[in-house]
Order: sequence, then C-alpha cells, then structure tokens
Amino acid sequence: GNSVTQMEGPVTLSEEAFLTINCTYTATGYPSLFWYVQYPGEGLQLLLKATKADDKGSNKGFEATYRKETTSFHLEKGSVQVSDSAVYFCALFYNQGGKLIFGQGTELSVKP
Amino acid sequence: DGGITQSPKYLFRKEGQNVTLSCEQNLNHDAMYWYRQDPGQGLRLIYYSQIVNDFQKGDIAEGYSVSREKKESFPLTVTSAQKNPTAFYLCASKEGGPLYNEQFFGPGTRLTVL
Repeated sequence: GNSVTQMEGPVTLSEEAFLTINCTYTATGYPSLFWYVQYPGEGLQLLLKATKADDKGSNKGFEATYRKETTSFHLEKGSVQVSDSAVYFCALFYNQGGKLIFGQGTELSVKP
Repeated sequence: DGGITQSPKYLFRKEGQNVTLSCEQNLNHDAMYWYRQDPGQGLRLIYYSQIVNDFQKGDIAEGYSVSREKKESFPLTVTSAQKNPTAFYLCASKEGGPLYNEQFFGPGTRLTVL
C-alpha cells in the first residue's frame, strides 16, 4: 500500500546550521508530495509541495525535490533559525483515495 | 478572512460521555476531513466527506461518528465506545476534484478525557 517514512527525531541543530529531513515514500501511480509544518499547539500549515517528478517545491528558504527514481522528497534548508523549531510532516496524496497519507513527523529544535 | 475554525481549543470530558467537536470552513471547499494526532505519531484519518450528505470511514473510525448536513460544517462526535479518546483532533478541507490536492487545516481541538 501507500506509505511515507520520515527520519526519526528529535533533530537538534544550532542556529545557521544546514538542515536535512529525509522522507521516502511507497506509492502506486504518481502521487503529489507535501511538507507540512506544525508549530507548538497549532494546526498544520503547508510548507511546500511538488506534483510531478523532478519538481522542486520551495518556501521560506526550505526546498524539496520530487525524486521518482529514489522515491524521496527530502526537506532541506541552508541556514535554520530558532523560529524554525517545529514538527515537520511529509505527506503524499493519491487521487484514487482522495486522502493524504502522513509520515510520523520529525521534531526540529534549533538552539541559539 | 477565509479559513477553518475549530472549537473549542481545549475540551475536558468525563469518561463515558459523548462529546462533539466543531469544524467550520468558509473556503467553499467540497471535501472535509478529521484526523487524530497522538504524541510522536503522524496524523491518522478518522472520517472524510467529499460532498454534502456523504462521508466515508477513514483508518480509525471506530468509536467516532460524523455528519455533513451543510457544506461548511463537519462536526465529529467522540462516543463512549472510543477506548482512548484523549488526543489532539485536527479538521481539514480542500476543494473538490482530482486537480486540487492541498488540504487546509484548522487550529485543532485538544480533548482530554478524565
């Protein structure tokens, strides 16, 4: 079946460090891929998305490239800030089910 | 402002009581969803509705019920049959049809059963 696997957290970084959060997926067909961010006590916000192979989504300095050959959608940021501390969720959407499937989330903590 | 509202933000109930969580959207979206989030876990789908007066069970529907009488509203009832109801509940919506796949989320309701 369809599934999403993220690297386990928590991830702790110093401010201005480089961030990578790995995400791989298993899916039939051609799903759309998403990264959502959840700040403490809040709902999820869409961070970026990609709808087809080789698409790169980007927003607020974050980037992720839809790699069909490796079934991956890793999230990267060149220089993290304390305000980036949150939980990040990778997700896929497949049209047949009309549903989002989420990874388990990766907690990021950025220290000054 | 368009968006999704969930109320209340915090809810406390005694064991054995049914409780209804509210979700309202003014985005004119056809589809609405309910998710449950537990610490350290991803979101799990409880119920979803792709159109008014129709809804489907998600992955963990047991102990929950929903209705979709109006396009903008999708309330979730947590019944006494739900064995472990304490969790953070998130509502989401999206436009209908296969061209639209981005879901928009509400701020969530944290339910604690005492």
